[in-house]
Amino acid sequence: DAKTTQPNSMESNEEEPVHLPCNHSTISGTDYIHWYRQLPSQGPEYVIHGLTSNVNNRMASLAIAEDRKSSTLILHRATLRDAAVYYCILKGSSNTGKLIFGQGTTLQVKP
Amino acid sequence: ETGVTQSPTHLIKTRGQQVTLRCSSQSGHNTVSWYQQALGQGPQFIFQYYREEENGRGNFPPRFSGLQFPNYSSELNVNALELDDSALYLCASSFSATSEYNEQFFGPGTRLTVL
Repeated sequence: DAKTTQPNSMESNEEEPVHLPCNHSTISGTDYIHWYRQLPSQGPEYVIHGLTSNVNNRMASLAIAEDRKSSTLILHRATLRDAAVYYCILKGSSNTGKLIFGQGTTLQVKP
Repeated sequence: ETGVTQSPTHLIKTRGQQVTLRCSSQSGHNTVSWYQQALGQGPQFIFQYYREEENGRGNFPPRFSGLQFPNYSSELNVNALELDDSALYLCASSFSATSEYNEQFFGPGTRLTVL
């Protein structure tokens, strides 16, 4: 299973953009890049996913490097509610749909 | 649309006992996955059930077992509880077992404490 590397923690100010990086240098051609986040005392929730092209949804944007060895989750205006652990996960067809979580990045948002 | 629900919310057991945790999947989902999350760690995949059959297993011993019912709800059973089994147990449901892009919907978890 391909591995991802994320910073342990990041800080942001409220209403400012946040860029959460993820390195996945051993990604295979068919691996999708998924992001989940886990708010305090809750189960993880899906944020966004992509394969090659940048993606946008109501929660965030995902920027994928041209060589696919890294990606960045972008929160355009952080709110206090965005304080969570963010997980970058690679999901391929060979892993029976399981999600392999790393340590994730703990995002603190300051008012 | 009802989301993923889990019961009980909290549970305290003693070493050597057995426990059953329950999960109701989101409407229309036929796949349920179970994860164990120790304090301060990311969730670890235990196993997945697809249409009532086990469809993949993580690195957990046989005393972790499960069931999926015709309505796609699921149970996680743990026998001979050990202190290290203390964790948050998460259930997640999805439309498909193997899709690379299919998102999983998680429940709030069951907090198990083994004394």
